[in-house]
Amino acid sequence: DAGITQSPRHKVTETGTPVTLRCHQTENHRYMYWYRQDPGHGLRLIHYSYGVKDTDKGEVSDGYSVSRSKTEDFLLTLESATSSQTSVYFCAISDRIRDEKLFFGSGTQLSVL
Amino acid sequence: QQQVKQSPQSLIVQKGGISIINCAYENTAFDYFPWYQQFPGKGPALLIAIRPDVSEKKEGRFTISFNKSAKQFSLHIMDSQPGDSATYFCAASKGTGGFKTIFGAGTRLFVKA
Repeated sequence: DAGITQSPRHKVTETGTPVTLRCHQTENHRYMYWYRQDPGHGLRLIHYSYGVKDTDKGEVSDGYSVSRSKTEDFLLTLESATSSQTSVYFCAISDRIRDEKLFFGSGTQLSVL
Repeated sequence: QQQVKQSPQSLIVQKGGISIINCAYENTAFDYFPWYQQFPGKGPALLIAIRPDVSEKKEGRFTISFNKSAKQFSLHIMDSQPGDSATYFCAASKGTGGFKTIFGAGTRLFVKA
């Protein structure tokens, strides 16, 4: 998957606990994204980054925060997980804005009980 | 607010038949329309894309038809094969003034052998 590693691949956690998902890329792409995939909703953008320490919110950012301290790493944190955050999370990268081509990781299946 | 509406949710096609998936968008500022293909357990991967200055784009068995006035576009898979069984997402993005890609809800295609 285009030099993108997501970890962990699966996680089960309890409501109220903090969770951090990691995305690591070896492509040196500038832009990185976190999407969540839910049945009937497709993929929805949570947060994105356009450079080190430069991040912005997507359409479903409530309850999530991100950090990017290095070009290759983009972290997604659920400060206090809720059952509504049970989903499959995908990291994506891109090297351009125009005619954007997204490369996706293999996803993290997160279950919040 | 769903800006890209995709139909049908699921589709069953006989091997050798034509698979057709439709999408409609609302924002006339969108100027890039990709289709992504996703196999189980994998992240989506770009399949084919079109810009609104052309009405059709063909790559092998996959064709995008684009109707700018109707704000609709569709994916046609000719001579559908069992290996085409996957989930397909249409998407739209703006090249300038915001580059976030908005996805449709997805179509699960099953091609019967």
